[in-house]
Amino acid sequence: DQQVKQNSPSLSVQEGRISILNCDYTNSMFDYFLWYKKYPAEGPTFLISISSIKDKNEDGRFTVFLNKSAKHLSLHIVPSQPGDSAVYFCRVGGGNQFYFGTGTSLTVIP
Amino acid sequence: NAGVTQTPKFRILKIGQSMTLQCTQDMNHNYMYWYRQDPGMGLKLIYYSVGAGITDKGEVPNGYNVSRSTTEDFPLRLELAAPSQTSVYFCASSGGRVNTEAFFGQGTRLTVV
Repeated sequence: DQQVKQNSPSLSVQEGRISILNCDYTNSMFDYFLWYKKYPAEGPTFLISISSIKDKNEDGRFTVFLNKSAKHLSLHIVPSQPGDSAVYFCRVGGGNQFYFGTGTSLTVIP
Repeated sequence: NAGVTQTPKFRILKIGQSMTLQCTQDMNHNYMYWYRQDPGMGLKLIYYSVGAGITDKGEVPNGYNVSRSTTEDFPLRLELAAPSQTSVYFCASSGGRVNTEAFFGQGTRLTVV
């Protein structure tokens, strides 16, 4: 059983537009959610997080939204830049359990 | 700042061979993790450790062993390598509980032939 899903394997967006990456999870007890960014041949790097007591967290061009009732997490990047082209993973969990999504490959077209 | 360092970066093993993937961190983090990433898949947790002398299984521990004798080092041992263990392996560490931000190494690409 997949605890977390990222249903879009890839996404292409024009530079300057909004990128929206989505993540769905199954366990309503999960209480901490993170997004990581990964460039080829590198390890993932932390991007932004949100806990279940919030529904939005913003850091510069990156905003994470949490809809607990829908068990849905999204990452908005505005405006998108070519350097944002990477694979984005969501990680969800609670207690000692945490799971990564399969990733969405974002391409920002100049 | 070194952060999390993994060695080697690449390795080819023959079926049945064994090897140890090294991981060391210089951030004095208590929590350390080993993940594997297969093509088109997310990262799967193999083992993790909440401190020196304490390790526990993750989602996919079969075929692997770990030890944590110091805070800094968390080696991953593969015994009797199999083609199914062909993957990219990432080590990570975090300062807080298991659900906080983790810092990752650059990965080890392992091929078993």
